[in-house]
Amino acid sequence: GNSVTQMEGPVTLSEEAFLTINCTYTATGYPSLFWYVQYPGEGLQLLLKATKADDKGSNKGFEATYRKETTSFHLEKGSVQVSDSAVYFCALPGAGGTSYGKLTFGQGTILTVHP
Amino acid sequence: DVKVTQSSRYLVKRTGEKVFLECVQDMDHENMFWYRQDPGLGLRLIYFSYDVKMKEKGDIPEGYSVSREKKERFSLILESASTNQTSMYLCASSPAYSGANVLTFGAGSRLTVL
Repeated sequence: GNSVTQMEGPVTLSEEAFLTINCTYTATGYPSLFWYVQYPGEGLQLLLKATKADDKGSNKGFEATYRKETTSFHLEKGSVQVSDSAVYFCALPGAGGTSYGKLTFGQGTILTVHP
Repeated sequence: DVKVTQSSRYLVKRTGEKVFLECVQDMDHENMFWYRQDPGLGLRLIYFSYDVKMKEKGDIPEGYSVSREKKERFSLILESASTNQTSMYLCASSPAYSGANVLTFGAGSRLTVL
């Protein structure tokens, strides 16, 4: 079945530092790829997505490019803020197709940004 | 603001007790999900439902059951709670077909079983 592996962390950065969180996947075909974020005390929310190879998803200054050659979908941000402190999850549709929204999530990466 | 509401944020139960976790969504979504979140393991799917009275097992259904009598409500039931079910439980919903992978999550229910 489909699976995803992401960098475990935790990651600790100073404000305005550059962020990369690695995510690699194993999948049949070329499924859509997602990054979800969980802020403290909240549920997950969609951060960005890419639906086909070479697509770049972007939101709130975060970017990720769907690279089929390296089966990767790394999350990047050029200058992090304290408010970006959260847990980040890479995800893709699980086995059995995409129509029902059954996502397989990575382990999550805890990001802490200090002033 | 659309949302998924989980009735209890924190619960403490004893081993062997029956536990109900309730989830309600107001977006008229067809799909609803229960995930379990544990450190280092990410989210694991327990059960999902794609229609009223329809349910399918996820990756870790053992020890759990679900109920979906109305479209907006999806309940997770622990028939006899055990300490290894201490965890954060997340409910989510999504529309059918296009957009099915864009899940809206509730804030979570943290269950402690003593």
